[in-house]
Amino acid sequence: QKEVEQNSGPLSVPEGAIASLNCTYSDRGSQSFFWYRQYSGKSPELIMSIYSNGDKEDGRFTAQLNKASQYVSLLIRDSQPSDSATYLCAVNSVKTSYDKVIFGPGTSLSVIP
Amino acid sequence: NAGVMQNPRHLVRRRGQEARLRCSPMKGHSHVYWYRQLPEEGLKFMVYLQKENIIDESGMPKERFSAEFPKEGPSILRIQQVVRGDSAAYFCASSPRDRSGRTYGYTFGSGTRLTVV
Repeated sequence: QKEVEQNSGPLSVPEGAIASLNCTYSDRGSQSFFWYRQYSGKSPELIMSIYSNGDKEDGRFTAQLNKASQYVSLLIRDSQPSDSATYLCAVNSVKTSYDKVIFGPGTSLSVIP
Repeated sequence: NAGVMQNPRHLVRRRGQEARLRCSPMKGHSHVYWYRQLPEEGLKFMVYLQKENIIDESGMPKERFSAEFPKEGPSILRIQQVVRGDSAAYFCASSPRDRSGRTYGYTFGSGTRLTVV
């Protein structure tokens, strides 16, 4: 089982809809969870961090964490074409000798005008 | 407060030459990570460094690749005798660590696009 898994996509949603991006992880000891956005040809940009179970909202973005299910998701409300990008889920691992962040393969999102 | 600075942005090397990629972390960050990304692929971890120490180099190819983060100056990723398969985007990221040990998200630089011809 891979440490961080995401649906590769592409995920296509119409403009104005809710985009739902999902991520599962294997390390039960993980405590820190991140979502990055990467536009084509650009570097990853941190858009959300979440450390506790439940929801965390920031503008049109909501991160949801369920540690019991080892599941973290990102919801994008009122999706815009400018949201079209690859979204990377990242989770800290406590299995290494230091606190290492493991990245998932990313989900490609396309918002159709 | 400048972000993570990488240079050069684009680097073209002929097969067999050396490539040197530089990274200066954000002010206040003492942890540097290097990643490689091939076209249409995910980020691949290469190496994690603190000042004057390599902490984790498990993602580094065994030959031709080396990294350093000296006491003074930027972190350097060095690729000797480059081959076409080394063509990729190389990203550097940095992070702080607080006293409680919480993991913070990484801040990435703009990357160096290496092309081997």
